[in-house]
Amino acid sequence: AQSVAQPEDQVNVAEGNPLTVKCTYSVSGNPYLFWYVQYPNRGLQFLLKYITGDNLVKGSYGFEAEFNKSQTSFHLKKPSALVSDSALYFCAVRPFWGNNRLAFGKGNQVVVIP
Amino acid sequence: GAGVSQSPSNKVTEKGKDVELRCDPISGHTALYWYRQRLGQGLEFLIYFQGNSAPDKSGLPSDRFSAERTGESVSTLTIQRTQQEDSAVYLCASSLVLGGEYEQYFGPGTRLTVT
Repeated sequence: AQSVAQPEDQVNVAEGNPLTVKCTYSVSGNPYLFWYVQYPNRGLQFLLKYITGDNLVKGSYGFEAEFNKSQTSFHLKKPSALVSDSALYFCAVRPFWGNNRLAFGKGNQVVVIP
Repeated sequence: GAGVSQSPSNKVTEKGKDVELRCDPISGHTALYWYRQRLGQGLEFLIYFQGNSAPDKSGLPSDRFSAERTGESVSTLTIQRTQQEDSAVYLCASSLVLGGEYEQYFGPGTRLTVT
């Protein structure tokens, strides 16, 4: 079955500094990969996805993620973090073929320090 | 257009009582999903529906949990004889079609507290 690991519980970063949130995955065959963000007391919002093609994917709010097949990773990045980026970030994976269940990681709390 | 809506937003119930949670998906979305999010945990898949196909119930944790969906509209998640470990946020999501490259759109969730 597919699974996601987000190794850090919390990521602290100073405002204006680069932000990276790590994600590694396990899936049979090729993956579909997604990042979602959750603000307090709200549902998850879609940020970006990798389907096929270019390994660097650009998404909402200046976020991007890089798919690395050999390392089975899909790290989320933002060149310059904002205080408003403070939220809970979830990585998710689904196999290209097979079941349609989306497996989520535990989430990373990002704290951007003014 | 309207997003995914869920009701109630909060539910407090006594142990042993039944509860029913409701989800209204985005109009035109054929796939609907239910997840459970326990405090400090990721999302746990419960069930999905795709049109009139048989649902994938493989994530339901026990036979106390059931869900229904009529066509491509509203879905209800029912928990019978609630237990304290059922306390969580229950999230509903919908997507244009099932699986593949289609992202899911989430509702705000129902926070269930079993006392």
